[in-house]
Amino acid sequence: DVKVTQSSRYLVKRTGEKVFLECVQDMDHENMFWYRQDPGLGLRLIYFSYDVKMKEKGDIPEGYSVSREKKERFSLILESASTNQTSMYLCASSLGGRDNEQFFGPGTRLTVL
Amino acid sequence: LAKTTQPISMDSYEGQEVNITCSHNNIATNDYITWYQQFPSQGPRFIIQGYKTKVTNEVASLFIPADRKSSTLSLPRVSLSDTAVYYCLVGVIRPTDKLIFGTGTRLQVFP
Repeated sequence: DVKVTQSSRYLVKRTGEKVFLECVQDMDHENMFWYRQDPGLGLRLIYFSYDVKMKEKGDIPEGYSVSREKKERFSLILESASTNQTSMYLCASSLGGRDNEQFFGPGTRLTVL
Repeated sequence: LAKTTQPISMDSYEGQEVNITCSHNNIATNDYITWYQQFPSQGPRFIIQGYKTKVTNEVASLFIPADRKSSTLSLPRVSLSDTAVYYCLVGVIRPTDKLIFGTGTRLQVFP
């Protein structure tokens, strides 16, 4: 089974802090994704990576950056956390190509005070 | 951009068939239609994917009419454990600005 793990289930940070959310997948998937999920807004794509060191912006990249130095690891970075970034963050991976079957991690609930 | 529209919520009883429809009027030629299920405090889980006509697997069927402007997820004989939020996703992995999740349909199954 594909396993996608996220570094924390719950995280509390203060405004202005730099925040790192880590995601690791163990199935040699090419694609990795970061989403945020908010009530009434569904899942919104922040960033996508289709290969090591490669990335594409999603719907809402503002205020975020990403890093993919190794194939299995995809990091989401909040350079200066703000209260409107309080949300559930979900990481996913998929095999590659046009395959839309994404495997999701359990999520990180981030609260920015 | 293939924006999707789903009912916000649906109720059903155990043993009934449930059909959830997703509208995607601006679907592009290359777009696939994918459905996910999400339980509270978990990430979404893939259910089924299709391009046209009908696709069936061990848990669901997906019906896509010829014009592909909508799709219907069919869950046969639901149980209490099918209570979840169901998301319709239309698009392709690349370019990702065309990978759009709907806001989801909350299905409540009653005994």
